Amino acid sequence: ETGVTQSPTHLIKTRGQQVTLRCSSQSGHNTVSWYQQALGQGPQFIFQYYREEENGRGNFPPRFSGLQFPNYSSELNVNALELDDSALYLCASSLRRMGGGETQYFGPGTRLLVL
Amino acid sequence: QKEVEQNSGPLSVPEGAIASLNCTYSDRVSQSFFWYRQYSGKSPELIMSIYSNGDKEDGRFTAQLNKASQYVSLLIRDSQPSDSATYLCAVNSRQGAQKLVFGQGTRLTINP
Repeated sequence: ETGVTQSPTHLIKTRGQQVTLRCSSQSGHNTVSWYQQALGQGPQFIFQYYREEENGRGNFPPRFSGLQFPNYSSELNVNALELDDSALYLCASSLRRMGGGETQYFGPGTRLLVL
Repeated sequence: QKEVEQNSGPLSVPEGAIASLNCTYSDRVSQSFFWYRQYSGKSPELIMSIYSNGDKEDGRFTAQLNKASQYVSLLIRDSQPSDSATYLCAVNSRQGAQKLVFGQGTRLTINP
């Protein structure tokens, strides 16, 4: 167990709907990263939050947005859902340090199915 | 060229043998390297991290890094059926956002 929690575990939505996924980071960690993992692929970086600000973004459209709260928990919001958004969404927490290279620990993920 | 490349497998190894998993990366400024294990339907679990050239051993696992060749590998000694999983190689550049770039994973099957 990494101490990273995510909710919900599973979700079914229809095209055009909006979804919010939640993540609580490991105690002592200050950085949260979100990844999308399609079936049979490696996780793809969506974005990262540090000190409540977005700190880097992958190749995802603006309808993917997020928040980080003062307690370092985070939300991922996806608007106007598309069928291709069906995937496992992973949250990873880490402790930002000088020089970078911190280790990221993953939560159990949220499996989203868009019909 | 993909940023991180792995042989997708499947790689089949008899129980008790050594499993060898390989990964190459394209970004020369990459500084941190990780191996994650992912069981079917589960999230990635950290196995090893390595930052310097050479070998790093942890129990039955050994990570090897060669920055000149842009190559990182994972050896699993005395393979057990419980080692059957997908192994993900991940690279962190230390520049900008501390994002992990993953390979597509190698599916490993240990045969009893």
